[in-house]
Amino acid sequence: GENVEQHPSTLSVQEGDSAVIKCTYSDSASNYFPWYKQELGKRPQLIIDIRSNVGEKKDQRIAVTLNKTAKHFSLHITETQPEDSAVYFCAANNYGQNFVFGPGTRLSVLP
Amino acid sequence: DSGVTQTPKHLITATGQRVTLRCSPRSGDLSVYWYQQSLDQGLQFLIQYYNGEERAKGNILERFSAQQFPDLHSELNLSSLELGDSALYFCASVAIGELFFGEGSRLTVL
Repeated sequence: GENVEQHPSTLSVQEGDSAVIKCTYSDSASNYFPWYKQELGKRPQLIIDIRSNVGEKKDQRIAVTLNKTAKHFSLHITETQPEDSAVYFCAANNYGQNFVFGPGTRLSVLP
Repeated sequence: DSGVTQTPKHLITATGQRVTLRCSPRSGDLSVYWYQQSLDQGLQFLIQYYNGEERAKGNILERFSAQQFPDLHSELNLSSLELGDSALYFCASVAIGELFFGEGSRLTVL
């Protein structure tokens, strides 16, 4: 079955700096890669996603890149703000099948 | 609001007891996924249903069971509860390939 690894497990950055979180997956059949942000005690919320026919996608300060050959994808957050502090989860999915999540990255943006 | 409804939001019970968690997916969504999240841990996949039938099963304990009813709501039954079952239990449904989570049911086993 699919296995998703995620690094780093914790990340601290200064406000205004960039943050990068990397994930790798094992199943080449996976074709959808969402990123979720989870604030303490709340539900995970989708922040950006990418499908396997696209190499990069941007939404304001957030971008995701995908390398299908290497089976890895990354989340990039630029100009970080304190409200970006949260746990971020990557996931891999083959349409109609289970979503497999990475173990999460706790991002702290220091003022 | 994701459109996925979970009840109860909080539940406190004792070891050895049995509880039922309920989930109503977004209107029109046929899939329901259940995830367990223990304190400061990741999202552990439990089970997936599609239009009433079990589609995939994760590391779900034998003490746990689930079903999806004809009206598409789902229930997760947890029995012979142990302290380690204390967690947030999330239900999610899928629309156009995107997974939407409910607010979760926080179970505390004392």
